[in-house]
Amino acid sequence: AQKVTQAQTEISVVEKEDVTLDCVYETRDTTYYLFWYKQPPSGELVFLIRRNSFDEQNEISGRYSWNFQKSTSSFNFTITASQVVDSAVYFCALSEVEYSGAGSYQLTFGKGTKLSVIP
Amino acid sequence: SQTIHQWPATLVQPVGSPLSLECTVEGTSNPNLYWYRQAAGRGLQLLFYSVGIGQISSEVPQNLSASRPQDRQFILSSKKLLLSDSGFYLCAWSVDQKETQYFGPGTRLLVL
Repeated sequence: AQKVTQAQTEISVVEKEDVTLDCVYETRDTTYYLFWYKQPPSGELVFLIRRNSFDEQNEISGRYSWNFQKSTSSFNFTITASQVVDSAVYFCALSEVEYSGAGSYQLTFGKGTKLSVIP
Repeated sequence: SQTIHQWPATLVQPVGSPLSLECTVEGTSNPNLYWYRQAAGRGLQLLFYSVGIGQISSEVPQNLSASRPQDRQFILSSKKLLLSDSGFYLCAWSVDQKETQYFGPGTRLLVL
């Protein structure tokens, strides 16, 4: 069964500091997708990124960057020069692409990391 | 562009009362639809998903049920609420089961 572990429950940083959120996953499949979502205090989950298991290139989007390493089954998320608006709970998630036979391509979420950026 | 709506935004219900939460998607056809629950703290639990009208799959046995009466409408129901049903309910949609899920604004349910 697939599993996502976000070992950091809560992180606090001072504004403008860089912060990395860790995500480690387990899957039996060779083809899968990894995701990051942001949940601000309002509650809505905001999609940030989706990566295919065959694409290990790191990605940068503004102050956000993602480091995908299959060798360590990790998909870490770094925020550079953090801002107060980055305060939220961040979820890492995994979706196995191969049909499991159970009738569902389940999206498995980690328990989330609560990031607090202090002004 | 696609948008997803949920209502109500907040709901306070007594134990034993019925429940009906609604989710609608605009701007797409034949979406896959999902209901998740997030209990106090965090952690999302998939409750139901649907690949088409009238097709519902349940992931967690409980006193909740789901229905999809129209292509872009997904309803979460209960005949009698329990205290443990309190939580944040999120609806999501995707083009198909392999694609990214996009979430609605959620409904906060408090059962007293």
